[in-house]
Amino acid sequence: EDQVTQSPEALRLQEGESSSLNCSYTVSGLRGLFWYRQDPGKGPEFLFTLYSAGEEKEKERLKATLTKKESFLHITAPKPEDSATYLCAVQASGDYKLSFGAGTTVTVRA
Amino acid sequence: DADVTQTPRNRITKTGKRIMLECSQTKGHDRMYWYRQDPGLGLRLIYYSFDVKDINKGEISDGYSVSRQAQAKFSLSLESAIPNQTALYFCATSTGGQPQHFGDGTRLSIL
Repeated sequence: EDQVTQSPEALRLQEGESSSLNCSYTVSGLRGLFWYRQDPGKGPEFLFTLYSAGEEKEKERLKATLTKKESFLHITAPKPEDSATYLCAVQASGDYKLSFGAGTTVTVRA
Repeated sequence: DADVTQTPRNRITKTGKRIMLECSQTKGHDRMYWYRQDPGLGLRLIYYSFDVKDINKGEISDGYSVSRQAQAKFSLSLESAIPNQTALYFCATSTGGQPQHFGDGTRLSIL
């Protein structure tokens, strides 16, 4: 059974204070690892897909990296508008379903 | 207009009632999914459909049923609602190897 564990559960940052979120996973052959952002009252919004160890993707202040056992979402010099819950999900080879972690809620104070 | 529309956005009902949640999409995707989200548990898959004639159970399908009325419409039913089905429900769509796109959810409370 695929498993995804995200840490920490919650993260409070000062504006400009860079940090990283962790997503540890076990899957029988990785097809892809996905990062989503979720704002209160909204559905998850797609950020990145990573397919193989060593791959990196960037978007504005966010950078996602992947190893064979975990992924990191780095937030560089965050702003209050980066406050959200960040979800990680994995997709196994030969499958189209996603297995989600419980998420990390990030709060950035001005 | 949203690409993936869920109705209603909020619903409060009583134990034992039949409830239908609806999802429609304008993205032209062939695959549609229903998830529930509970605090601390993340999103869990209830049912998924890869085309109109294809319906599959997810990890938590007991107590739920679905109908794919057309490529663009996928509804979720709770035949006899119970309080532990209180949750946020999300519909998602995808095609090929592309990421899933989500609606804004239905907040369901069962008293």
